[in-house]
Amino acid sequence: EAGVVQSPRYKIIEKKQPVAFWCNPISGHNTLYWYLQNLGQGPELLIRYENEEAVDDSQLPKDRFSAERLKGVDSTLKIQPAELGDSAVYLCASSQGGLNTEAFFGQGTRLTVV
Amino acid sequence: DQQVKQNSPSLSVQEGRISILNCDYTNSMFDYFLWYKKYPAEGPTFLISISSIKDKNEDGRFTVFLNKSAKHLSLHIVPSQPGDSAVYFCAASARTGNQFYFGTGTSLTVIP
Repeated sequence: EAGVVQSPRYKIIEKKQPVAFWCNPISGHNTLYWYLQNLGQGPELLIRYENEEAVDDSQLPKDRFSAERLKGVDSTLKIQPAELGDSAVYLCASSQGGLNTEAFFGQGTRLTVV
Repeated sequence: DQQVKQNSPSLSVQEGRISILNCDYTNSMFDYFLWYKKYPAEGPTFLISISSIKDKNEDGRFTVFLNKSAKHLSLHIVPSQPGDSAVYFCAASARTGNQFYFGTGTSLTVIP
C-alpha cells in the first residue's frame, strides 16, 4: 500500500512569489494534517482536516497561507506571497481517524525562500 | 509553550547496548503518546504508541514506558543497532484536543 505522497520534494522560490504543495494521503484515511517543521524543532500543526472539513486551522497564518481538501482526498497548501521566514519543511500526514490513532507522514517538501 | 519536551538533544550508545530516550509532558489531558523516527531528508516514521490506560507497550526491540503520575515516557531500544541512528520525536494527543504535539527530538547515534 502506498504511503502519504507529497510533491514537490524541494522548492526554491524568491520572496513574494507564490508556492503550492500537494499531498495525497493514504487511501481510506479521513484525517489529514499539514505540519510545519523548522530546523531543530518538532513538527507544528498548521491545519487538520476531517474529510473535506478543516476542523482546526487556528495556527494557519491566514493572511498568506491557504489550504483546501476537495472531495476529502488530496490536499494543497498554498503560500502567497512567500516570505524568507517561510523556509522550512512542510509535512503532510494522514490517519484513519481521530487523535488516538497513529498518523503517517509523507517525505515532506523542503521550501527555501531566497 | 512547549507541552511536550525532550530535554536531551543527542544521545550516543554503543551497538548492542540499551538506548533510553526520554520525554516529558505538561498537559494532564494527554491520553495517547507516540514515538516517531526520522532519517535525514525523510518524513517522520511511526515507531510505537501507547495509550494512557497502559504503562508499557512492547514491539520487538522497542518498548515504551508511560509514567502518568510523573508525566513522563521513555523509549527503550534493546539491543541498539547502527540503523537505529536517527532523530526520535515524542508526540502526544488528547482525545478532546485538536492535534498531536511534538517534542523537539533527540538525535540518537549508535556506534558500531
